[in-house]
Amino acid sequence: EAGVAQSPRYKIIEKRQSVAFWCNPISGHATLYWYQQILGQGPKLLIQFQNNGVVDDSQLPKDRFSAERLKGVDSTLKIQPAKLEDSAVYLCASLPAYQETQYFGPGTRLLVL
Amino acid sequence: GDSVTQMEGPVTLSEEAFLTINCTYTATGYPSLFWYVQYPGEGLQLLLKATKADDKGSNKGFEATYRKETTSFHLEKGSVQVSDSAVYFCALTKAGGSYIPTFGRGTSLIVHP
Repeated sequence: EAGVAQSPRYKIIEKRQSVAFWCNPISGHATLYWYQQILGQGPKLLIQFQNNGVVDDSQLPKDRFSAERLKGVDSTLKIQPAKLEDSAVYLCASLPAYQETQYFGPGTRLLVL
Repeated sequence: GDSVTQMEGPVTLSEEAFLTINCTYTATGYPSLFWYVQYPGEGLQLLLKATKADDKGSNKGFEATYRKETTSFHLEKGSVQVSDSAVYFCALTKAGGSYIPTFGRGTSLIVHP
């Protein structure tokens, strides 16, 4: 079974630029999550999707972050404009129905200069 | 709110040494408890879990016992290997909740030959 795919793996941008990350969850997993993992901390949820609908985006900084999952499969997370404090690893995870264990992708490591 | 506290790292051990990584939690009700492992450059992988008091989760020689009286879920391994070098995250999910883990800050383990 293929795992959660993310791209790019690494991205370096300057502050005020925009950036987008892509995630393809495990086939058949209806629930998809985006997390932000700042160095030295555990992952923190940004947004949760159920199919193509948003379940929880209460922790998403909506003035600069946006995410979509238009067809209920893959998803994109965008930051515009980026700030220095956005430097982090952005993790995508998916969840099979009727289970409580999420499957994580390898993450995208973002450095904002 | 719910929280997870892990011992500070890095933990540095020689190969075949005994490992303990402490984890305590604060949560109402009866959460499920997890240990995730993050190898360099990879996403989080579930290592083991326990869903009720006195349960012992185990995998790959690692063990952790759900202790409700001490609100702890310490990770142990009798003989570590160099390949165990990684960051270990303790986490909890709430019973009947949305399966979004609350993570600790992570503990880095470095095993020397």
